[in-house]
Amino acid sequence: AAGVIQSPRHLIKEKRETATLKCYPIPRHDTVYWYQQGPGQDPQFLISFYEKMQSDKGSIPDRFSAQQFSDYHSELNMSSLELGDSALYFCASSLGRLYNEQFFGPGTRLTVL
Amino acid sequence: DQQVKQNSPSLSVQEGRISILNCDYTNSMFDYFLWYKKYPAEGPTFLISISSIKDKNEDGRFTVFLNKSAKHLSLHIVPSQPGDSAVYFCAASRNRDDKIIFGKGTRLHILP
Repeated sequence: AAGVIQSPRHLIKEKRETATLKCYPIPRHDTVYWYQQGPGQDPQFLISFYEKMQSDKGSIPDRFSAQQFSDYHSELNMSSLELGDSALYFCASSLGRLYNEQFFGPGTRLTVL
Repeated sequence: DQQVKQNSPSLSVQEGRISILNCDYTNSMFDYFLWYKKYPAEGPTFLISISSIKDKNEDGRFTVFLNKSAKHLSLHIVPSQPGDSAVYFCAASRNRDDKIIFGKGTRLHILP
C-alpha cells in the first residue's frame, strides 16, 4: 500500500540558508500534518492543512511557512536556518482532520551546519 | 512543560517476557491516548489507543491500561518478541480531532 512520501530524506544546509521539505500524502488523504523532532525530544506539532487550508497551528517559528497544493502535497519552507533547526521533520496524512488516524512518513533529517 | 512524560528512556526485556512501558500525563483535559511504535529510519506507526471512558484496551499481544485518577497509562506487550525492539511513543489529545501531544519515547530492547 502507498505510504506518505517525504523528500528529501536527508538535507544538509548552512546557517542562514533556506530549505524546502516536501510531503506527498497517501492517495485520497486530504489532511497533512508537520512535526519536528529534535535530538532526544518528542515530536512537536508544527502545522496542519485540511483541503489546502491551514487548519491548526502549533509551535511553528515565524521563519517557517507551509502550504498545501491542489494535488494535496505540502511543502514546508524554512528560512534563515539556525543550528537549532537541525531535527527530524515528519509529515503525516489522514483522510479528514482525524489526528488519531494519521499515517506518518519516514521523515526528513535536516542538519544545519 | 512536558504534558506527556515517559520517564524511562530505555528498557530491556528478555524475549518471551512481558514488556511494560509507562506514561504519565499532566493535562486532565486529555481524553484520548495513543501508543506509536517507531523503527529507525521510519516514521511512527500507530499501535493502539484508548479513550478515557475505558480503562483497558487489548489488541493481540498489546494491551493498554489507563488509570485516570493517577493520570497514568501503560502499554503491556506479552510475550515480547525480537521485532518489538523499537522506540515507543505515548501520545495524548483532548479528543480524536485535536492535536496529539507526544512523549519523548522509550527505547525497548528485546534480548534474545
